[in-house]
Amino acid sequence: NAGVTQTPKFQVLKTGQSMTLQCAQDMNHNSMYWYRQDPGMGLRLIYYSASEGTTDKGEVPNGYNVSRLNKREFSLRLESAAPSQTSVYFCASARQGITQETQYFGPGTRLLVL
Amino acid sequence: DAKTTQPTSMDCAEGRAANLPCNHSTISGNEYVYWYRQIHSQGPQYIIHGLKNNETNEMASLIITEDRKSSTLILPHATLRDTAVYYCIVNNNDMRFGAGTRLTVKP
Repeated sequence: NAGVTQTPKFQVLKTGQSMTLQCAQDMNHNSMYWYRQDPGMGLRLIYYSASEGTTDKGEVPNGYNVSRLNKREFSLRLESAAPSQTSVYFCASARQGITQETQYFGPGTRLLVL
Repeated sequence: DAKTTQPTSMDCAEGRAANLPCNHSTISGNEYVYWYRQIHSQGPQYIIHGLKNNETNEMASLIITEDRKSSTLILPHATLRDTAVYYCIVNNNDMRFGAGTRLTVKP
């Protein structure tokens, strides 16, 4: 099993460009999450999907949209990138709902917005 | 606002036990305490979790006080590869990680 995979690993964007970060898990988990991590900081939840077909906002959702394409895949879209969105983005999945369940993380996508 | 408080950094000698404290004084009765760690820039890795009983697995032990307002993660024989940022999280709807404790294991 690959666990949680993310693409791309690195990306450089210009201000105003758009892009989609991809995440997939092969553990048959119901829940998936997107976090961002700024230098020297902890992770902050952007959006989550407790089950296929549902999505909810986390702590810092502004400037992002998500799509739970199917049970395996959960994408994060930046419609008009801003320098403040320069960060490392982590995707995670968990077997059940958002509470009381261990999360498994992907390797991260490093995004630089110029 | 984080629901947990951890020291910013700690050092530990290789081969000794590393004891990482966490305060979670506002924890609710049905909330678990989770510990994760993040080595360099990798994705966080699950270590252990517990509700009110002490827990042990192949990686670590978790000691939760009787009033559940604090806990301690114990790495019994720390190695250089245990150098990482350790996050204590009280599981709730938005999984706030906070800044964690940067543990440095020294030779």
